[in-house]
Amino acid sequence: QVQLQEAGPGLVKPSETLSLTCSVSDSSITDYYWSWIRRSPGKGLEWIGYIHYSGSTKYNSPFKSRVTMSIDTSSNEFSLRLSSMTAADTALYYCARSRYSSSSPLDNWGQGTLVTVSS
Amino acid sequence: QSVLTQPPSVSGAPGQRVTISCTGSRSNIGAGYDVHWYQLLPGTAPKLLIYGNTNRPSGVPDRFSGSKSGASAFLVITGLQAEDEADYYCQSYASGLRLFGGGTKVTVL
Repeated sequence: QVQLQEAGPGLVKPSETLSLTCSVSDSSITDYYWSWIRRSPGKGLEWIGYIHYSGSTKYNSPFKSRVTMSIDTSSNEFSLRLSSMTAADTALYYCARSRYSSSSPLDNWGQGTLVTVSS
Repeated sequence: QSVLTQPPSVSGAPGQRVTISCTGSRSNIGAGYDVHWYQLLPGTAPKLLIYGNTNRPSGVPDRFSGSKSGASAFLVITGLQAEDEADYYCQSYASGLRLFGGGTKVTVL
């Protein structure tokens, strides 16, 4: 049973950088593409981007200037860094898996980690 | 504003049939890209409900079905049950980017 588990600070100050990690169990991190998605209060899902173990990334336009994703195959983890955080970035952040970069579904998700941006 | 448009809410009595639409354009769903559907319940990991427009992953009850026509896709729940009360999202693609609908809250009356 594939398991994804997000971990992060919970509370971030405005202008700071958010760092989240997703730990992957029972799935080889080299066989899939790994995405970050968020759900803001009162809003829908928003895809942030993906990373592949090769280092290939694709970021959604609203985040391109301030997002970085990385992957650590030795620990079966991947990470998200989102800089210049504002209150608008307060959201539930999910990590998820897909077989291919595009057109394949996100077939396994983590439960999400809540990130609040506040001073 | 999401690129894929869903009704904010739908409701039905137990046993009824409800349909959730997901309307895109010629640049995404209408371009032939697949549509997937997800179910979100509070406190749990989102669940893939339908993939590739019409396919159910193992373990998803057959009361959930999907279809696609032109630039729109549809999720149908036949025989609505109390545990189906959740948020549902469609997802497709454009220019290599994943697009989500705005989500639909299903309420079981």
